[in-house]
Amino acid sequence: DGGITQSPKYLFRKEGQNVTLSCEQNLNHDAMYWYRQDPGQGLRLIYYSQIVNDFQKGDIAEGYSVSREKKESFPLTVTSAQKNPTAFYLCASTGRAGDGYTFGSGTRLTVV
Amino acid sequence: GQQLNQSPQSMFIQEGEDVSMNCTSSSIFNTWLWYKQEPGEGPVLLIALYKAGELTSNGRLTAQFGITRKDSFLNISASIPSDVGIYFCAGHSNDYKLSFGAGTTVTVRA
Repeated sequence: DGGITQSPKYLFRKEGQNVTLSCEQNLNHDAMYWYRQDPGQGLRLIYYSQIVNDFQKGDIAEGYSVSREKKESFPLTVTSAQKNPTAFYLCASTGRAGDGYTFGSGTRLTVV
Repeated sequence: GQQLNQSPQSMFIQEGEDVSMNCTSSSIFNTWLWYKQEPGEGPVLLIALYKAGELTSNGRLTAQFGITRKDSFLNISASIPSDVGIYFCAGHSNDYKLSFGAGTTVTVRA
């Protein structure tokens, strides 16, 4: 079955460490997205990529980095420069934005 | 992306009640979408609307694309406990991004 997979489901990080969240899709979608969700704040766009080897900053890109070396994969690195990284992170993909996104099941990152 | 105005922010509903939530925007959209997110999971698409005035149902859910193309509403009829979650509206204009509302948190009183 086609879908979008995020791993791990739960991630703990010590302050000062970088950590990478995985996002893989087998839907043959061109566009992929990373969102951050905090309680009561909805979805905020971190980065998006419309095509392999190209990506754009979203509304809250500071402290994050991404790569898009393969169509299927769009990993997100949360760097030590991100001041408040504890949040729920969602990856999404689409073939056409007007058709809506398919979301992964999310990764909950906690800084300890 | 542009934030949509979604209301109410939260609601407590009695099992069996019909409820409604809506989204408005200052910009025109070509597509309106409604998602539901359950705790600890990603949002799932419930209904997609592609034409102004369109009224679409999915089981007990009904959504409409406003005539002005700047608003949409979602109705849930005969609420049940599994309707608990966060409902998001989303709009699409011409690029590769959706604009999302802040969500409506629904809690059902048994």
